[in-house]
Amino acid sequence: AQKITQTQPGMFVQEKEAVTLDCTYDTSDPSYGLFWYKQPSSGEMIFLIYQGSYDQQNATEGRYSLNFQKARKSANLVISASQLGDSAMYFCAMSRQGAQKLVFGQGTRLTINP
Amino acid sequence: EPEVTQTPSHQVTQMGQEVILRCVPISNHLYFYWYRQILGQKVEFLVSFYNNEISEKSEIFDDQFSVERPDGSNFTLKIRSTKLEDSAMYFCASSEAGGWETQYFGPGTRLLVL
Repeated sequence: AQKITQTQPGMFVQEKEAVTLDCTYDTSDPSYGLFWYKQPSSGEMIFLIYQGSYDQQNATEGRYSLNFQKARKSANLVISASQLGDSAMYFCAMSRQGAQKLVFGQGTRLTINP
Repeated sequence: EPEVTQTPSHQVTQMGQEVILRCVPISNHLYFYWYRQILGQKVEFLVSFYNNEISEKSEIFDDQFSVERPDGSNFTLKIRSTKLEDSAMYFCASSEAGGWETQYFGPGTRLLVL
């Protein structure tokens, strides 16, 4: 069975600093995908970034990058130059080949202070 | 930019009543999903739908739930006889393909069962 663990229930960061949100996963599948979603206080789920298990390079999307360490089964999200609008819940999720469902972690609430 | 839409944004119903939550997935997407998020908890998979049939479902998705694609654009989730514990945010999502293709989420329907 797949499992996602996010050990930081809350993070507080000063504006313009970089922040790393932790995510570890557990799966026996050789092929899988890892995702990060942002959920602002308005409630919608916004896709941020994706990493495939066979991707050699870490994924990047603008200010977001994914620090993928396959041997450690971790897929941490790095947000560079944080902004006030980054304050939100952040969810790590994974899926596996042949299955459609996403398995989510508990989330990390990120607060950016001015 | 194409997006998933959901109606209504909020619904209040009495226990035992039937509710239908509606979604319009992104037009060229082939896979459709429902997830739910009980307040303060993680996002949980309910069901995936492809080629006019359920392709995967969770243990939450019991006989009280059903999904349908009544026409070429809408995708619905029906809860036949609502319970208090069905109170949650319900998200529809869609993706171009299955596996670990990125799933794009709608804004959600907040359901409150009294």
